[in-house]
Amino acid sequence: GAVVSQHPSWVICKSGTSVKIECRSLDFQATTMFWYRQFPKQSLMLMATSNEGSKATYEQGVEKDKFLINHASLTLSTLTVTSAHPEDSSFYICNGEDRVFGYTFGSGTRLTVV
Amino acid sequence: GENVEQHPSTLSVQEGDSAVIKCTYSDSASNYFPWYKQELGKRPQLIIDIRSNVGEKKDQRIAVTLNKTAKHFSLHITETQPEDSAVYFCAASIKNSGGSNYKLTFGKGTLLTVNP
Repeated sequence: GAVVSQHPSWVICKSGTSVKIECRSLDFQATTMFWYRQFPKQSLMLMATSNEGSKATYEQGVEKDKFLINHASLTLSTLTVTSAHPEDSSFYICNGEDRVFGYTFGSGTRLTVV
Repeated sequence: GENVEQHPSTLSVQEGDSAVIKCTYSDSASNYFPWYKQELGKRPQLIIDIRSNVGEKKDQRIAVTLNKTAKHFSLHITETQPEDSAVYFCAASIKNSGGSNYKLTFGKGTLLTVNP
């Protein structure tokens, strides 16, 4: 089946620094990549939707200049959290979509900003 | 946009009993309804899904029912086991005829605890 490889699985960074999260689709081409954020004991909240080669579409309330999404190829999408603050600490997870396999989640990234 | 409501938020059952989780959705255009199981710190795992042209689907101990008119769908787990304990999420999206999926909108989740 389809696999989305997400790295890193966890990261601790200092406040004010930037962190990049990568999602690679293996054995399939993710035409669309959805990025979710999940706070403890809460649901998955969609942050943005990206399609290969075009700008991401952000959900209301999500700062596009803070959460930079790049989907340069059909197999790689990245999310960069810029100038991270403690309130950005969360579980970030990507979800790749293609016409054959449907939705495939990455393994998630636990971000802790100290 | 789509709004998905999920109930209950917590559910505790005895091993061997059945568990039912219910969701409602708002967008009548939604036609794809997956259910996910998520263990702590891990990715959601698809356990079953249903399309709007089907009223019920079953896979061993798990079943999902869909009422398009009422815009609600339910997850049924029979003969529950302790390893069924996890958070369960329902979701809704639009799957068009070309195969492309729209974004998944999730319910708030149900923490299921199966007591031995």
